[in-house]
Amino acid sequence: EIVLTQSPGTLSLSPGERATLSCRASQSVSRNYVAWYQQKFGQAPRLLIFGASTRATGIPDRFSGSGSGTDFTLTITRLEPEDFAVYYCQQYGSSQVTFGGGTKVEIK
Amino acid sequence: QVQLVQSGAEVKKPGASVKVSCKASGYTLTHYYMNWVRQTPGQGLEWMGIIHPGTAITNYAQKFQGRVTMTRDASTRTVYMELSSLESDDTAIYYCARSRGYSDDEAFDPWGQGTLVTVSS
Repeated sequence: EIVLTQSPGTLSLSPGERATLSCRASQSVSRNYVAWYQQKFGQAPRLLIFGASTRATGIPDRFSGSGSGTDFTLTITRLEPEDFAVYYCQQYGSSQVTFGGGTKVEIK
Repeated sequence: QVQLVQSGAEVKKPGASVKVSCKASGYTLTHYYMNWVRQTPGQGLEWMGIIHPGTAITNYAQKFQGRVTMTRDASTRTVYMELSSLESDDTAIYYCARSRGYSDDEAFDPWGQGTLVTVSS
């Protein structure tokens, strides 16, 4: 199965700052089928990005995804108070779907 | 709007089985695949498998092969996930999550609210 490694584990930033989250795959992800999810405490994950770079319906344009092959990035250009949460990457290009371990974005 | 509503929390003894339900509304159940994902403090998010509610065809994660069964009842718009031979490590929140599009290789959107399953003697 494809192992996804997210870094850093925790990102301490202030509102208004830029967040850059990394997701590295142990092998190339077919068709760049990588998604990013946001999860707040006590809630289910919410889809932000699919296909590595396409925003899901209703997601603000401060969220963007990029990358291909084995290296993918989620960028939040200006952090809003509601963006402090845990973010997970997922690959769904193989028959065995896998998730990364998550990056927590916390208020500095 | 599209909504997935799951059954309530469960407490089970080791060796028992648990069956979690996921009732769909706001779309045609048989057109979209449904996934099951669990979340534990130690393992994070784990994909358990997928079912096509129209055909009942399933694909289970290797880790859960032989222990998980996914079924559906189209008449009640409900999908089920049953996990057997429970151990304490199976204590987790279990989510259903619909595939975003019509195929099985899609991102997951939306998700159910989650069902806490506690395994304890």
